[in-house]
Amino acid sequence: KNQVEQSPQSLIILEGKNCTLQCNYTVSPFSNLRWYKQDTGRGPVSLTIMTFSENTKSNGRYTATLDADTKQSSLHITASQLSDSASYICVVALNTNAGKSTFGDGTTLTVKP
Amino acid sequence: NAGVTQTPKFQVLKTGQSMTLQCAQDMNHEYMSWYRQDPGMGLRLIHYSVGAGITDQGEVPNGYNVSRSTTEDFPLRLLSAAPSQTSVYFCASSADGTYGYTFGSGTRLTVV
Repeated sequence: KNQVEQSPQSLIILEGKNCTLQCNYTVSPFSNLRWYKQDTGRGPVSLTIMTFSENTKSNGRYTATLDADTKQSSLHITASQLSDSASYICVVALNTNAGKSTFGDGTTLTVKP
Repeated sequence: NAGVTQTPKFQVLKTGQSMTLQCAQDMNHEYMSWYRQDPGMGLRLIHYSVGAGITDQGEVPNGYNVSRSTTEDFPLRLLSAAPSQTSVYFCASSADGTYGYTFGSGTRLTVV
């Protein structure tokens, strides 16, 4: 069964600190992996998209890494801000069915002043 | 350019009632999807479409119908609402189905 598991489930950090969120997947065959940010009460917004051949992708203070061999990805947030408080969702797409993707349950990040 | 527009934003239904959640996109995207998100949980795929006239089931399709008569619109119909369908519903679209899905702002549905 295709699965995406994220850890930790929740995380609290102080403003200005860095953090790393993890995503492990069993989706196969793999097409791409996406990280989304979802603010409370809003729809998810795309942060990064990586294909199997890409090892890292940055978007401002967000840097995603991908190890397709071990089927692991991480999202690193640098110099956190209060506005980074949100749920971060890892999504993995099959390359055999472009309409379907498998979503992780997300990591809830709280940044405190 | 409005992106993905969902209506209504909030809805309360009685058990057994039917209704349609509307989703429209103005980006000429071929791929559209419906998801539900229960409190504290991830998004689960209900139905998706890879183009006008083509729909398929996702992970949790029971109790829902969809149709795709135009590229722009992808309505989700609840046939006979049940309390288990209380959730937040998100519609999303993508140009090619794999990259850069754009999500709507969601419809919060309560079934009593």
